[in-house]
Amino acid sequence: DGGITQSPKYLFRKEGQNVTLSCEQNLNHDAMYWYRQDPGQGLRLIYYSQIVNDFQKGDIAEGYSVSREKKESFPLTVTSAQKNPTAFYLCASTSLLNTEAFFGQGTRLTVV
Amino acid sequence: AQKITQTQPGMFVQEKEAVTLDCTYDTSDQSYGLFWYKQPSSGEMIFLIYQGSYDEQNATEGRYSLNFQKARKSANLVISASQLGDSAMYFCAMREDYGGATNKLIFGTGTLLAVQP
Repeated sequence: DGGITQSPKYLFRKEGQNVTLSCEQNLNHDAMYWYRQDPGQGLRLIYYSQIVNDFQKGDIAEGYSVSREKKESFPLTVTSAQKNPTAFYLCASTSLLNTEAFFGQGTRLTVV
Repeated sequence: AQKITQTQPGMFVQEKEAVTLDCTYDTSDQSYGLFWYKQPSSGEMIFLIYQGSYDEQNATEGRYSLNFQKARKSANLVISASQLGDSAMYFCAMREDYGGATNKLIFGTGTLLAVQP
């Protein structure tokens, strides 16, 4: 079955450590997105990528980094520069046909 | 700049009744797509319905329909015959499309819907 897979579902890290969240899709979608969601809040865009080896900053990119070496994969690194990294992170992908936009199950990151 | 506005933080509806969730958007582009998502307490984002800016007919998917009023920049979601399982957070989203390439997908702040028995 086609879809988007985020891993892990839950992640715990110590303050000051970098951590990488995985996002893989087998939908052959060109564009991929990373969002952050805080409790009771909407989704805020961190980074997005329209094609391989290219990506753009979203509204809250500071303290995060991404790569897009393959069409299927768009990993997000939460660096130690991110002041408040504890949140729910969602990855999404869309097609150029503009009629589909699907999400992964999300990763809940807790920094202690 | 792109912007999505959902003015209803929370809504109540009786089971089996219809409910309309409001969404207005702001864009200077002529080509764009509008989406609605459902987020239950589990956190997953469930795609409900899509409307393209050039689509003349309002989109429908089962009990979901999108009331698209382009001149008013409005894309309200109508849920008919509400069910208890419809209780969730609902998000409106928009993507501008420049020259056929996809652009960023942005979301509103969401509306929390509670269906009462």
